[in-house]
Order: sequence, then structure tokens, then C-alpha cells
Amino acid sequence: EVQLVQSGAEVKKPGESLKISCKDSGYSFTSYWIGWVRQMPGKGLEWMGIIYPGDSDTRYSPSFQGQVTISADKSISTAYLQWSSLKASDTAMYYCARLEGYCSSNSCYGAFDMWGQGTMVTVSS
Amino acid sequence: QSALTQPASVSGSPGQSITISCTGTSSDVGSYNLVSWYQQHPGKAPKLLIYEGSKRPSGVSNRFSGSKSGNTASLTISGLQAEDEADYYCCSYAGSSTFWVFGGGTKLTVL
Repeated sequence: EVQLVQSGAEVKKPGESLKISCKDSGYSFTSYWIGWVRQMPGKGLEWMGIIYPGDSDTRYSPSFQGQVTISADKSISTAYLQWSSLKASDTAMYYCARLEGYCSSNSCYGAFDMWGQGTMVTVSS
Repeated sequence: QSALTQPASVSGSPGQSITISCTGTSSDVGSYNLVSWYQQHPGKAPKLLIYEGSKRPSGVSNRFSGSKSGNTASLTISGLQAEDEADYYCCSYAGSSTFWVFGGGTKLTVL
């Protein structure tokens, strides 16, 4: 079965760093773009950014540019979302999702057809 | 405030039809035929229901349909069933600076 498997829940203190992961299982990881979506407690979905693991081409939402780093290691079919200094406001569920589509140099097309199970990140002193 | 506007809640009785609207602008919904809809049950990951405005992925019931008029997209669920009770989100591509934007979500209650 094709699926995205995310790393487990994290509890961190403000100022700490964190890297969460999203590993594919069963499809050609380097042929699809992988996006990240935030869902704060009781709130809606927010698109954060996207990466093409084949060449690590990465695009960020203006709201998240500079706040997080998206990366990938194609040798182990894994995408990452990381923070260098967490804030309490980073407390949220984070989902990775596969883009059934593509991004060119100046536009993107498609929808997110496969989602990971989510990683809950709690930042509290 | 979300980029796309959805009603906070809608409700309907089993067997009825409901429609959820998703209002954007000429920079997103109005410019691209790239509206998608997602269903999210409590504690679960979102699930793709509709892509490119009106297309259904394999395995999605034909009770779900999508449409668009101008800057507003709509999701219609016909023959409501208890298991349709969930949150629904629209999403639109919004150009090469913003990329994707979501609506605030609509909670569907099946009475």
C-alpha cells in the first residue's frame, strides 16, 4: 500500500530545534512533490511549502518563508520540516502531503492526493 | 483570516443535499481551474475529494461533486449520510508567489 509515514509526536521547549520527517512507502518518491501543511489546534489548514525530492527544488508560502526549512533525502525517500528555534505558536499538527501534479519554474498544478498521518508538535515551557 | 472564505458550518438531514461555498478572488479561484476539496474527520488526516474544480479521484463517491462560477467554488454532497459528518476545506492555487491557499473550513453536521 502506498502511503506517507510521519515521525512521532514531539514535545519541545521554546528556543529548541526540531526536525520532523515524512517517509514514503511504495511509490517513486523522487517523482512527486511533497508539501507540508500546518493545522493549529482547533483551526484550519495552512499550506507551508513544497519540495521536489528529485533535485530539492523548494518553494515556500510567504507566511512561512524564513520560519521553517524544508529538505529531503532522496536516498532514504524522506522529506523533512525543521525549525531552528521553536516558539509556543508553533504548537500544531503538521501534515506532509503528496502533490499529484507538478511545479514548473513559475507555476504549479495539481492537488494533494495522499497525506501522512500527521505529527503533533507541542512547544511549551 | 483565511485566504478563501467558507461558511463556518452547514447542516442537513440524511438523504438531503448540501452545498458548501468557497469564495476567493480573481487572483486565486477566479484565475485557475485548480480548486480542490478535502474532507477531514476528527483526529484524521485530510482526504482529497475533488481536484481541478470538479474531478473525483478514484474511489471517491459520486455523491460528491464540485463546480465553480467566477471567484466562487462549490462542493455539493448529495444523499447525505451520517459518515459525511466532517470538516471540509477548499484549496486553490494562487500563483507563483503564494502558491496554495486554503479556506477556513466548514463543519458539516448531519442531523
